[in-house]
Amino acid sequence: KAGVTQTPRYLIKTRGQQVTLSCSPISGHRSVSWYQQTPGQGLQFLFEYFSETQRNKGNFPGRFSGRQFSNSRSEMNVSTLELGDSALYLCASSSRDSYGYTFGSGTRLTVV
Amino acid sequence: DQQVKQNSPSLSVQEGRISILNCDYTNSMFDYFLWYKKYPAEGPTFLISISSIKDKNEDGRFTVFLNKSAKHLSLHIVPSQPGDSAVYFCAARVAGGGNKLTFGTGTQLKVEL
Repeated sequence: KAGVTQTPRYLIKTRGQQVTLSCSPISGHRSVSWYQQTPGQGLQFLFEYFSETQRNKGNFPGRFSGRQFSNSRSEMNVSTLELGDSALYLCASSSRDSYGYTFGSGTRLTVV
Repeated sequence: DQQVKQNSPSLSVQEGRISILNCDYTNSMFDYFLWYKKYPAEGPTFLISISSIKDKNEDGRFTVFLNKSAKHLSLHIVPSQPGDSAVYFCAARVAGGGNKLTFGTGTQLKVEL
């Protein structure tokens, strides 16, 4: 069974640009959540999508947005990138309100 | 406001001994707690979880204890092995809160030979 796939693995962007990250969940999983990990901050919840609807949202500015497609794949977009957006972005998938969450390997975003 | 806290950034243990990782929380609405293990450049891997209706859950070498009155949980690893060296995150979920997890800042465990 394929795991959670995140692309790309690494990305370097310039301040002011925008970026789109992709996440393909485990087959059959309809919930996709996104997290940002920065040194010393642990994992910070960005948002969760379930059946193409945003179900939860964390405390991030509106520059961070996401969406989910009918096949449960999800994308996350960050506009007007800032240096502080440099982080590991992790995606996790789960079945409907299950108690198991499987994470992808993440996308390492560096803003220069 | 850090609702889930892991106050020890690092822990060093000898191989074969017990590793105890601690986690404190402040939100009484948390009903489910999880521990994840993370290696560099990889996503977190689920280890073990516990519901708030229990006080202990065991899975092989891993045991999680929950003390609701103290809002404290701990992960015990016995015996510790060098392959256990990683960052361990405690996470919690609010009842009815969908799949949003609140994470602690992690504890770096080093198991030495």
